[in-house]
Amino acid sequence: NAGVTQTPKFRVLKTGQSMTLLCAQDMNHEYMYWYRQDPGMGLRLIHYSVGEGTTAKGEVPDGYNVSRLKKQNFLLGLESAAPSQTSVYFCASSQIAGEIQETQYFGPGTRLLVL
Amino acid sequence: AQKVTQAQTEISVVEKEDVTLDCVYETRDTTYYLFWYKQPPSGELVFLIRRNSFDEQNEISGRYSWNFQKSTSSFNFTITASQVVDSAVYFCALSDTGRRALTFGSGTRLQVQP
Repeated sequence: NAGVTQTPKFRVLKTGQSMTLLCAQDMNHEYMYWYRQDPGMGLRLIHYSVGEGTTAKGEVPDGYNVSRLKKQNFLLGLESAAPSQTSVYFCASSQIAGEIQETQYFGPGTRLLVL
Repeated sequence: AQKVTQAQTEISVVEKEDVTLDCVYETRDTTYYLFWYKQPPSGELVFLIRRNSFDEQNEISGRYSWNFQKSTSSFNFTITASQVVDSAVYFCALSDTGRRALTFGSGTRLQVQP
């Protein structure tokens, strides 16, 4: 049981390049999230998904796209990277049962540097 | 809109001291969940506790304890007899009933000196 995994762990991009970050979970969770963490700040929600085939915007969605074609995977895409997207990206997943929210489990993070 | 405030940016203590990390939140939801996560220097986020808005009982887990007070919208975290391994950034977070996503505070960096 690996929990939440993220690929890659670290990446350097040049401005204008594109890339996809992959998140995978093996806990059969319905909800998945992408957050970014910038120095001195807490995590901020980029996009989220409440189930396979669904996605929605969070607080800071500009410049990112996501897809959830399979329940266990949640992809975050940067079409044209900008230096402002230099950050640490965390994926998370959780199970929801009615009013009850279970713990949100996080992946190890992807450190992205855009030059 | 939801908000989580961790007013203490950085705290430095000497080993074996007790330390309390403050967390104040704002929400219009009547049902919500509060969380604490630890982020050690290695960077991963480690879950510490989850508490729902209907359960105001304080909780103790080893050297860790949490004080939830709905009347003051606070969910404070105390480490008793701190150790060097407690050095980390600690985040308080609040979930919403819609997206079920977390709103994080800006974190408190705790440094425990030997």
